[in-house]
Amino acid sequence: GAVVSQHPSRVICKSGTSVKIECRSLDFQATTMFWYRQFPKQSLMLMATSNEGSKATYEQGVEKDKFLINHASLTLSTLTVTSAHPEDSSFYICSASSPTSAEQYFGPGTRLTVT
Amino acid sequence: GESVGLHLPTLSVQEGDNSIINCAYSNSASDYFIWYKQESGKGPQFIIDIRSNMDKRQGQRVTVLLNKTVKHLSLQIAATQPGDSAVYFCAETFMTTDSWGKLQFGAGTQVVVTP
Repeated sequence: GAVVSQHPSRVICKSGTSVKIECRSLDFQATTMFWYRQFPKQSLMLMATSNEGSKATYEQGVEKDKFLINHASLTLSTLTVTSAHPEDSSFYICSASSPTSAEQYFGPGTRLTVT
Repeated sequence: GESVGLHLPTLSVQEGDNSIINCAYSNSASDYFIWYKQESGKGPQFIIDIRSNMDKRQGQRVTVLLNKTVKHLSLQIAATQPGDSAVYFCAETFMTTDSWGKLQFGAGTQVVVTP
């Protein structure tokens, strides 16, 4: 299957700072990328869908000004958690897909800890 | 899929036995289903998929069964091995006019393989 990478894999930041997470599709052009959040022992919760070159579509209850998503190219999407707080600590996972396939290729995830 | 809960159901299986993981999905319009495996601290990995025009599909050591009448999906793992220990998620989606809808994930099942 296609390869999707995320960077960093783990990040610890202080409350009030911003953190940027990168998601890259390494071997195909991802017209659509998805950002998920996962708490321990829970399922994946979709935060937003981003299409290359356009604004992201956020799920209900997800603050777009807090979770900034940029999908500037067919291989890169970024999620910036602005003014992070301890409750933002979570496992953030991205995935990528092409228009012709329902399958999503997932990245390895980023563990964010806000102290 | 099933509603998200705070406690993952757990299936304990003896090494070498067969595992059956169940999933009830909610959207009768869903026409594509995927099983993912997620190991601790990693992103989900594709295992097998099935379209709604099929009721069974087999892969290597895995079989997916789909019963659209009762909106039920199952994943069977033959001769379960220690490396099969993980959380397994079902996901459903449907085709819109020109693209696939977002994936809806089930709550997940923790599989623990005992020696």
